[in-house]
Amino acid sequence: ETGVTQTPRHLVMGMTNKKSLKCEQHLGHNAMYWYKQSAKKPLELMFVYNFKEQTENNSVPSRFSPECPNSSHLFLHLHTLQPEDSALYLCASSHRLQGGYNEQFFGPGTRLTVL
Amino acid sequence: QKEVEQNSGPLSVPEGAIASLNCTYSDRGSQSFFWYRQYSGKSPELIMFIYSNGDKEDGRFTAQLNKASQYVSLLIRDSQPSDSATYLCAVPGGSNFGNEKLTFGTGTRLTIIP
Repeated sequence: ETGVTQTPRHLVMGMTNKKSLKCEQHLGHNAMYWYKQSAKKPLELMFVYNFKEQTENNSVPSRFSPECPNSSHLFLHLHTLQPEDSALYLCASSHRLQGGYNEQFFGPGTRLTVL
Repeated sequence: QKEVEQNSGPLSVPEGAIASLNCTYSDRGSQSFFWYRQYSGKSPELIMFIYSNGDKEDGRFTAQLNKASQYVSLLIRDSQPSDSATYLCAVPGGSNFGNEKLTFGTGTRLTIIP
């Protein structure tokens, strides 16, 4: 596996279900991100992890719970979601460069549908 | 709160012509800018990065930055059908840990007409 991988690629869940999204990066990066992409809206940053520590939580509802056990893996645990949470969830990773250029590499995304 | 604005399009350009994509930003302190390309059903990929006023060229792509007017543009010369995609402008910043946080525009959907 190379780059950033995400599983599953597609997920359909009911509002009472609990599911998890998984992201893995094979690039030796130390920062990982979750983004939400909805139709007609900009990419929204949800969470940032830097060396496994959460450095950013962009006012995300508690029904989304991130977990970063190490610098290569990132999870997004989902529970009691709403239909408006249906979107493409993208994971990204990057090197953390102090005050410098920082390219983020994106995974293919998980297309989530909440019924 | 950084804001990044783009015309959502769609922008239709004949094959072989120059496609011009524009982005304006609200934070005068912004220092660097990214252009990502996103094909339908795919994830974004970085195509250009610029931090100095003026032009930066990479193959058929030219990024132009004007900090005084707070806009950044992307020109695509000799447009090809494979350039048809959504182009996202992004501005980093938001923490003391470098440029981890990116604020994206809504993107401009570009269609190259054969």
